[in-house]
Amino acid sequence: QVQLVQSGAEVKKPGASVKVSCEASGYTFTSFDINWVRQAPGQGLEWIGWMSPNSGDTGHAQKFQGRVTMTRNTSNSTAYMELSSLRFDDTAIYYCARDLKYGEPGGYWGQGTLVTVSS
Amino acid sequence: QSVLTQPPSASATPGQRVTISCSGSSSNIGSNTVKWYQHLPGTAPKLLIFADSQRPSGVPDRFSGTKSGTSASLTISGLQSEDEADYYCAAWDDSQNDLYVFGTGTKVTFL
Repeated sequence: QVQLVQSGAEVKKPGASVKVSCEASGYTFTSFDINWVRQAPGQGLEWIGWMSPNSGDTGHAQKFQGRVTMTRNTSNSTAYMELSSLRFDDTAIYYCARDLKYGEPGGYWGQGTLVTVSS
Repeated sequence: QSVLTQPPSASATPGQRVTISCSGSSSNIGSNTVKWYQHLPGTAPKLLIFADSQRPSGVPDRFSGTKSGTSASLTISGLQSEDEADYYCAAWDDSQNDLYVFGTGTKVTFL
């Protein structure tokens, strides 16, 4: 069965970077895009960006321009999302999600990774 | 700021029907298909509807989606206890700012 297993919770100081991993299993990793979504406390879902594990192509929301990097390691079927210059309002649960089919994000989700930005 | 607008809340008695609206624009709902997600606190979101009205395998048929122009709706027919959750619409967006946008979210509760 399809599984996405994310790395554990992180606590970071403002200005630092965080790298969240998302290990995929149960399917061919390069066949489906991965999206990253977050939810800050008391807020709604927010799309961060997408990555093609096949080509490595990425796209992201404009508000994360210059701060987000999405990569992958096809040898171990793992996607990564790194967010730099962290601010207090980056505190959120970060999710990776695999397309259900092409162009349909969120068919399968990781369990979420809590990133806390605190001084 | 989300570009897809939903009512903040909706409520109904168990067994009744509840409909959630999602208003967008020509660059998102007007030119791309709509998805709906259910989000229960402490869990990962779940895809309920894709391609405007299609249900993934395993999603009960009491969930249905429609779209007209730049608006979409999710209807839950026969509300059940496990349906109390937050619901979000979403769509790809052809504008320069965001490629994929979520709605503001609607909390569904029992009356």
